[in-house]
Amino acid sequence: ETGVTQTPRHLVMGMTNKKSLKCEQHLGHNAMYWYKQSAKKPLELMFVYNFKEQTENNSVPSRFSPECPNSSHLFLHLHTLQPEDSALYLCASSQDHIGRNTEAFFGQGTRLTVV
Amino acid sequence: AQTVTQSQPEMSVQEAETVTLSCTYDTSESDYYLFWYKQPPSRQMILVIRQEAYKQQNATENRFSVNFQKAAKSFSLKISDSQLGDAAMYFCAYRGYEKLTFGTGTRLTIIP
Repeated sequence: ETGVTQTPRHLVMGMTNKKSLKCEQHLGHNAMYWYKQSAKKPLELMFVYNFKEQTENNSVPSRFSPECPNSSHLFLHLHTLQPEDSALYLCASSQDHIGRNTEAFFGQGTRLTVV
Repeated sequence: AQTVTQSQPEMSVQEAETVTLSCTYDTSESDYYLFWYKQPPSRQMILVIRQEAYKQQNATENRFSVNFQKAAKSFSLKISDSQLGDAAMYFCAYRGYEKLTFGTGTRLTIIP
């Protein structure tokens, strides 16, 4: 059983739709992350939340809007996406965002297709 | 900014044989960790092995071991006695003061 759960596993949405990705971790971690995984590219860190506070936003377009209501839940709200936003979106968590030895635990991702 | 380079997009190995996946990185930091993650078809990234830069001894986890060459900034993964379940994407990652930085991955195929 994974400690990090993402829903939905697959999502197809039109460019005018609004949808949300959900991530939940059962590991008692304090940091949560959103990554974008595209083919033949390194994983791109999108957002970091540490103790529910957003600490990083790596120049992500405003059509992606994160929300972290508590340490266990992380959402990624999507609106007016473009076809190039189609990718695998991975959620991860770690004990904290500071320690270099901090291992990140990943969910199984949401495969997003924008049509 | 740190960069991680995996120069082998794809590798294949015969079952029960040994394979080595390459990774190089660029950094000016002296204190950092390096990781190898495995992403099977289920898509969930799983930590395989980690190495602290200050430790000269190469990390080992069962059939998985690393060859860490700090001066050369090289961090290769050796998989011994390859098994069908080892088929996956393998990502090298660097963690220093800033974020966890990943390479582009190597797709490993196991030939029965």
